[in-house]
Amino acid sequence: DGGITQSPKYLFRKEGQNVTLSCEQNLNHDAMYWYRQDPGQGLRLIYYSQIVNDFQKGDIAEGYSVSREKKESFPLTVTSAQKNPTAFYLCASSLGSRGEPQHFGDGTRLSIL
Amino acid sequence: AQSVTQLDSQVPVFEEAPVELRCNYSSSVSVYLFWYVQYPNQGLQLLLKYLSGSTLVESINGFEAEFNKSQTSFHLRKPSVHISDTAEYFCAAAGNKLTFGGGTRVLVKP
Repeated sequence: DGGITQSPKYLFRKEGQNVTLSCEQNLNHDAMYWYRQDPGQGLRLIYYSQIVNDFQKGDIAEGYSVSREKKESFPLTVTSAQKNPTAFYLCASSLGSRGEPQHFGDGTRLSIL
Repeated sequence: AQSVTQLDSQVPVFEEAPVELRCNYSSSVSVYLFWYVQYPNQGLQLLLKYLSGSTLVESINGFEAEFNKSQTSFHLRKPSVHISDTAEYFCAAAGNKLTFGGGTRVLVKP
């Protein structure tokens, strides 16, 4: 079945350490997205990519970086510059036009040790 | 600027009772509207969407939502809830970009 796979499901980071969250999709979608979810704040967009080798900052990009070298993959790196990284991170993909719904992975929960 | 407001952060409801989750949006352009459901420690799943046409849209599991342009609302309803409907529900609007509301947590009590 087609879908989005995020790994790992749980991730722990030490202070000053960069960590990378994986997101892979086999839906043949052009667009991919990263969201951060905090209790009571809904979803906030970190980065998005509409085509390979191109991506744009979302609303809260500071302290994060991404790459889009393949259509299927959109990894997110949480850098040491992100001062409050503890959150639930969701990856999504879509066909790209605004009427198309986004399909979500099951998320990665990142915690600081 | 585009925004989505879900008026209730939590809604407790007894099993087999009706429930309504309120959603209002503001946008300077026409929007497409969505409701998503999130079960604990999972991603979001699309529940239903409004793109055009009939203002009442239905999902396969008994939820329905009505688009009201004059009131800029897209409220979600279910006439009789089950324990399995316990989840968080997100309203979203796609204008220039996709914007999510803050979510409404539904707790169905036996």
